[in-house]
Amino acid sequence: NAGVMQNPRHLVRRRGQEARLRCSPVKGHSHVYWYRQLPEEGLKFMVYLQKENIIDESGMPKERFSAEFPKEGPSILRIQQVVRGDSAAYFCASSPKTQDNSPLHFGNGTRLTVT
Amino acid sequence: EDQVTQSPEALRLQEGESSSLNCSYTVSGLRGLFWYRQDPGKGPEFLFTLYSAGEEKEKERLKATLTKKESFLHITAPKPEDSATYLCAVQAARSNYQLIWGAGTKLIIKP
Repeated sequence: NAGVMQNPRHLVRRRGQEARLRCSPVKGHSHVYWYRQLPEEGLKFMVYLQKENIIDESGMPKERFSAEFPKEGPSILRIQQVVRGDSAAYFCASSPKTQDNSPLHFGNGTRLTVT
Repeated sequence: EDQVTQSPEALRLQEGESSSLNCSYTVSGLRGLFWYRQDPGKGPEFLFTLYSAGEEKEKERLKATLTKKESFLHITAPKPEDSATYLCAVQAARSNYQLIWGAGTKLIIKP
């Protein structure tokens, strides 16, 4: 079984460009979470989505950032007009459900570098 | 404020030298505490979930324990392949999905 797939693995963008990060969850998982990780820091929650619904986006900046998880296709994290401070590793995780502390399955991340 | 602190930040051991990693937490009601392993360039990989004080879980050379204020990850006779960053996360009772993460302990096992 394929795990969580993220692409691209590395993404370089110039300031002001758009970044699109994709995440395909484990087959059968309908819950997707996006996290951001900076060196020497813990993972920071950004957004939690179920199919076609944003459940909690409290960790995501209200401007320039958006996320979706359509009925068909991968989840997308979109960052518009990127700035140098957006440089980080972005991880996607999935789970089958939330009620019983199901452990998260993580992808290998997208490392975004803004030049 | 909910908080997770891991110590030490980094730990270098000789192969076979046992030790423990610490995860101290402050949370309003603990729903669960999670340990993950992260290798360079990879995503975190799940190791254990602990739910209540006194609980212990084991997997190969690793044993996780939990008290009301902290968790320990004990590593017995480690091998070089145990080198990784070990992450701790807690889930508060008020949320059934949000995790609060520590910054991790980078473990290096020298042959």
